Amino acid sequence: GAVVSQHPSWVICKSGTSVKIECRSLDFQATTMFWYRQFPKQSLMLMATSNEGSKATYEQGVEKDKFLINHASLTLSTLTVTSAHPEDSSFYICSARDPTGGIIYGYTFGSGTRLTVV
Amino acid sequence: GENVEQHPSTLSVQEGDSAVIKCTYSDSASNYFPWYKQELGKGPQLIIDIRSNVGEKKDQRIAVTLNKTAKHFSLHITETQPEDSAVYFCAASPNDYKLSFGAGTTVTVRA
Repeated sequence: GAVVSQHPSWVICKSGTSVKIECRSLDFQATTMFWYRQFPKQSLMLMATSNEGSKATYEQGVEKDKFLINHASLTLSTLTVTSAHPEDSSFYICSARDPTGGIIYGYTFGSGTRLTVV
Repeated sequence: GENVEQHPSTLSVQEGDSAVIKCTYSDSASNYFPWYKQELGKGPQLIIDIRSNVGEKKDQRIAVTLNKTAKHFSLHITETQPEDSAVYFCAASPNDYKLSFGAGTTVTVRA
């Protein structure tokens, strides 16, 4: 089945630094990937839709200059949290859809990245 | 946009009993309704999904029902086991491929 790999699984960084999170589709090509943020004991909140070869589409209230998304290939999307602050600490999860898998809307999620900003 | 409400927020059941989680959605254009199971510190895993042209779908101990007229869908887990303990999320998606999630239900199966 479709597999989405996300790295790193956890990262601790100092306030003011930037952190890059990678999301890869391992066995399929994904023209579209999605980035979510999840606070403890809360639901997943869509941050942005990553489109291969074009600019990402951000949800209302999400700062595009703070959360940089690059989808340079059909199998890789990256999320860079720039100038991170403690309030950016969260669980970040990506997902992708395999359009050829026979399931029209089959979304697969990565394992998530726990970001802690100190 | 789509608004998905999920109930209950927590559910405790005795091993072997059934668990039912209910969701409602607001956008009549939504046509895809997946359910995800999330264990602590991990990403959500799809456990079952249903599309709007079907009223019910079953996969072993898990079943999902959909009532398009009332705009609600439910997850049914029978013969619950301790490994079913997790957070379950429902979601809905219209044709633009975005998923809108419910708030989640923490299920605890008591041995």
